[in-house]
Amino acid sequence: NAGVTQTPKFRVLKTGQSMTLLCAQDMNHEYMYWYRQDPGMGLRLIHYSVGEGTTAKGEVPDGYNVSRLKKQNFLLGLESAAPSQTSVYFCASTRRGQPQHFGDGTRLSIL
Amino acid sequence: EDKVVQSPLSLVVHEGDTVTLNCSYEVTNFRSLLWYKQEKKAPTFLFMLTSSGIEKKSGRLSSILDKKELFSILNITATQTGDSAIYLCAVLTSGGGADGLTFGKGTHLIIQP
Repeated sequence: NAGVTQTPKFRVLKTGQSMTLLCAQDMNHEYMYWYRQDPGMGLRLIHYSVGEGTTAKGEVPDGYNVSRLKKQNFLLGLESAAPSQTSVYFCASTRRGQPQHFGDGTRLSIL
Repeated sequence: EDKVVQSPLSLVVHEGDTVTLNCSYEVTNFRSLLWYKQEKKAPTFLFMLTSSGIEKKSGRLSSILDKKELFSILNITATQTGDSAIYLCAVLTSGGGADGLTFGKGTHLIIQP
């Protein structure tokens, strides 16, 4: 019973490089979310999706893009990484009105 | 702008003590308030509170919501070292076609043996 799986778990990038974080859920959830967690800031919503083919901006969307081509997958892309994007990224999924289930996070460092 | 404020931000107690963690909120389109426990990795769900005045309980943990005063508390009795974690409060709101969670900054709880 995998739940929400994030890959990779760790990554170090140089400024200007691009990368994609993958989130996969096996619970048939409609809603999926990407958050970032920084020390002293709590979790902040980057982008979310209410279904296959739909995405929307959250609280801190700048510098990120997302895609939801399949219901079970939600991808977060950084086109040109910046040091300010060093953070721990969490993916979550849920059904409407239910608690969100979180993945174990991706620790990303931008040098 | 939706806001969730937790207090204290950090707390150190001895094993066996009872602790109370606080969460106040100012949001539009309130649906529910959730508590999560975060150890090293993913936040794990503890409670979801929708109705005022009804206590939810799980072992030594309990929580209650006051929708009139816009706050919730999380109580942990007879604390153990395994309770050491960051406790996150989040408010579920509706609008814009999705249910979003607004998180507080968390309370970092340390239980000393």
